[in-house]
Amino acid sequence: EIVMTQSPATLSVSPGDTATLSCRASQSVSSNLAWYQQKPGLAPRLLIYGASSRATGLPARFSGSGSGTGFTLTISSLQSEDFAIYYCQQYNNWPWTFGQGTKVEIK
Amino acid sequence: QVQLVQSGAEVKKPGASVKVSCKASGYTFSSYGISWVRQAPGQGLEWMGWISTYNGNTNYAQKFQGRVTMTSDTSTNTAYMELRSLRSDDAAVYYCASSGEKSTIYGVVSYYYNGMDLWGQGTTVTVSS
Repeated sequence: EIVMTQSPATLSVSPGDTATLSCRASQSVSSNLAWYQQKPGLAPRLLIYGASSRATGLPARFSGSGSGTGFTLTISSLQSEDFAIYYCQQYNNWPWTFGQGTKVEIK
Repeated sequence: QVQLVQSGAEVKKPGASVKVSCKASGYTFSSYGISWVRQAPGQGLEWMGWISTYNGNTNYAQKFQGRVTMTSDTSTNTAYMELRSLRSDDAAVYYCASSGEKSTIYGVVSYYYNGMDLWGQGTTVTVSS
């Protein structure tokens, strides 16, 4: 199965700053990569699909890039509601797999 | 309103089975697949498998093969996930999520995947003797 590795595990960022999250696949997943945001006690929320397409209603401060094995989620001008855990997930090959998550916390 | 509503929390003994339901509303149920994802306390997300609500085809994670069965009922717009021989490490929140839009071209059915865009609220399964 494809192993998804996210870095860093925790990212401390000040409100208003930019957060850059990385996700690496153990083999190419083309652009079949999604990003999710999860807040405590809630279900995950789809942010990005196709590596760079924003989900409906997602603010433009969220952007995704990359293809193949390396991907980035960038959150600019961090707002208070953006502090959460972020997961990447590949859907190029069965079984679909998630990264272990990156926690974005307030610095 | 487009939503997935899951069944309530369950408490099971080790060795028992649990069956979680996921009822869809607000969209054409058979046009989208359903994935099941679980999350153990304090842990990350774990994909368990996917079912075509159109024809019942499934893809399961190897880890759950032989212990999980995913089904769907288009008459009630409900998907089900049954996990058998429960162990303490099966204690988790179980989520259903819509994933994959069905396409039929010249009679051939295929799916286009764009992540999991609609999630249920989660069902907590506790395994305790």
